[in-house]
Amino acid sequence: GQSLEQPSEVTAVEGAIVQINCTYQTSGFYGLSWYQQHDGGAPTFLSYNALDGLEETGRFSSFLSRSDSYGYLLLQELQMKDSASYFCAVRAYNQGGKLIFGQGTELSVKP
Amino acid sequence: GAGVSQTPSNKVTEKGKYVELRCDPISGHTALYWYRQSLGQGPEFLIYFQGTGAADDSGLPNDRFFAVRPEGSVSTLKIQRTERGDSAVYLCASSLNVQETQYFGPGTRLLVL
Repeated sequence: GQSLEQPSEVTAVEGAIVQINCTYQTSGFYGLSWYQQHDGGAPTFLSYNALDGLEETGRFSSFLSRSDSYGYLLLQELQMKDSASYFCAVRAYNQGGKLIFGQGTELSVKP
Repeated sequence: GAGVSQTPSNKVTEKGKYVELRCDPISGHTALYWYRQSLGQGPEFLIYFQGTGAADDSGLPNDRFFAVRPEGSVSTLKIQRTERGDSAVYLCASSLNVQETQYFGPGTRLLVL
């Protein structure tokens, strides 16, 4: 089976940098995705790593290391509007389009 | 362009009743997915369609749950004899094909009393 582990909560201050980790146990997957979800809102796609290494999209970066079974989302220059839940997800081999999500990390950005 | 839309946004029903939840995917997206999300949890897969056919329904919890996509666009998730444990947010997503990014709708919040 597959499982993804994330910290349940992270707190940081405005302007800071925060890293949200995702460790996984899976036999094989196509890539690691990250989604943001504000309270009562839809999960919104942020980033995707198909290969090992760093992907940068504006203030957000995502990293994957398949050899370490580990990835992370890095948020820079934090803003209050970044307060949300963040989910990592994978699409496993031989499971078609099904996404498997972590439990999510609730990020609180303080002034 | 328009994103994924879901109706109703909220549904309150009584235990034992039948409900239908609707999803309108992004135009041109061939793959459509249903997930269920409980408070404080990540979305859990229910079923996905490739075109009109259900490609994987392994996440449906039991035979009270059924979904259709008769014309390969709009999908309806049907829940019979609802139970209090069915209360959750039901999310729909679509993608151009199964390899591409999934885009989610705002969800239907189902409350079974």
